[in-house]
Amino acid sequence: DIQMTQSPSSLSASVGDRVTITCQASRDISHYLNWYQQKAGKAPKLLIYDASNLETGVPSRFSGNGSGTDFTFTIISLQPEDFATYYCQQYDNVPITFGQGTRLDI
Amino acid sequence: QVQLVESGGGVVQPGRSLRLPCAASGFTFSNYAMHWVRQAPGKGLEWVAFISYDGSNTYYADSVKGRFTISRDNSNNALFLQMNSLRVEDTAVYYCARDRVWGAYTPGPFEYWGQGTLVTVSS
Repeated sequence: DIQMTQSPSSLSASVGDRVTITCQASRDISHYLNWYQQKAGKAPKLLIYDASNLETGVPSRFSGNGSGTDFTFTIISLQPEDFATYYCQQYDNVPITFGQGTRLDI
Repeated sequence: QVQLVESGGGVVQPGRSLRLPCAASGFTFSNYAMHWVRQAPGKGLEWVAFISYDGSNTYYADSVKGRFTISRDNSNNALFLQMNSLRVEDTAVYYCARDRVWGAYTPGPFEYWGQGTLVTVSS
């Protein structure tokens, strides 16, 4: 199975900050990497697919980058509604696996 | 708009069975692959199963292989997860999710999610 190592596991930031989350795959997954946002008690929401493509309707302050084994997810100018948990996910190989999540707090 | 509505959750004893339906609307269900994903209380996301748009291809997580079966009824826009030999560690919120790619035989990004249904396995 492909292991996805996400860091940090938690992060404190303020409105207006820029934050970056990293995700490392245990082997090459090309660009088959997605990022999801999950707010408490809600279903996850797809933000970035295929490493760097912004899902329709997602604000441009969210971005993703990387390929192979190393990926980054960045939010520029944090907004109050961005405080949530973020997960990376690989779908290059079955079983599909998620990172352990990054909780973004104020 | 796309809607996915899971149901069928509840409290069940270890070793028993449960079937979760997911009702789909707002899109041509027969054109999209589907997934089940679960989340144990306070934990992260775990992919459970995938089914291709036509039902011909399925994949499972090792943790459920041989116990769970994913299926679909394209005539009635419904996805199912049959869960047998349930274990305490299967306790989770179960989400159905629609794949992003039209006509997929293999998994892609999870574009739309239902609200989830809670399954509690306890004696």
